[in-house]
Amino acid sequence: KNQVEQSPQSLIILEGKNCTLQCNYTVSPFSNLRWYKQDTGRGPVSLTIMTFSENTKSNGRYTATLDADTKQSSLHITASQLSDSASYICVVRENTGGFKTIFGAGTRLFVKA
Amino acid sequence: GAGVSQSPSNKVTEKGKDVELRCDPISGHTALYWYRQSLGQGLEFLIYFQGNSAPDKSGLPSDRFSAERTGGSVSTLTIQRTQQEDSAVYLCASSSDVASHGYTFGSGTRLTVV
Repeated sequence: KNQVEQSPQSLIILEGKNCTLQCNYTVSPFSNLRWYKQDTGRGPVSLTIMTFSENTKSNGRYTATLDADTKQSSLHITASQLSDSASYICVVRENTGGFKTIFGAGTRLFVKA
Repeated sequence: GAGVSQSPSNKVTEKGKDVELRCDPISGHTALYWYRQSLGQGLEFLIYFQGNSAPDKSGLPSDRFSAERTGGSVSTLTIQRTQQEDSAVYLCASSSDVASHGYTFGSGTRLTVV
């Protein structure tokens, strides 16, 4: 079982609308959680990073939240744009010697005009 | 270099042939990952190298897949006797061993097996 679960698997929204993507994890011990955006045909690009003590982090229209007690994170996209169409990947890093990273399978977002 | 470099960017091969994919990580990065991404799918973990430790090969889908990392730097992913289901984008990522540092991804190698 993957230690990082994302939902929904895919999502279609209209331009200008808001949406929220979910990430639940069981990775322990926890070091940090990062959201990546991956445009089609490109490598993933980091949006936000949060450590155990942080519960919200914003990057423009992207706002990530983290509840380390329930091991849940969300990525909220405000006033979506066509360019937001991409895969959004939740990545959790262990707090162990090698800081191994576990990737979620991603949520594929389609923003339609 | 400034980023993670992968080569070739595109590879078309005949079924049954062997292929080698190369990854040049950022200099000094101790961690290196290989992932693959099939059309419309999420990232599938293949193998993880961390410093001089034995690699985590738990994600390799079959014994046709192997990878090595020479001198703690360049990595090569080899697929023997390629099958059509091996067609995917193969992504390499590297990171330092500082927890707060993120991963830098290469732009991937698009492998097509015909």
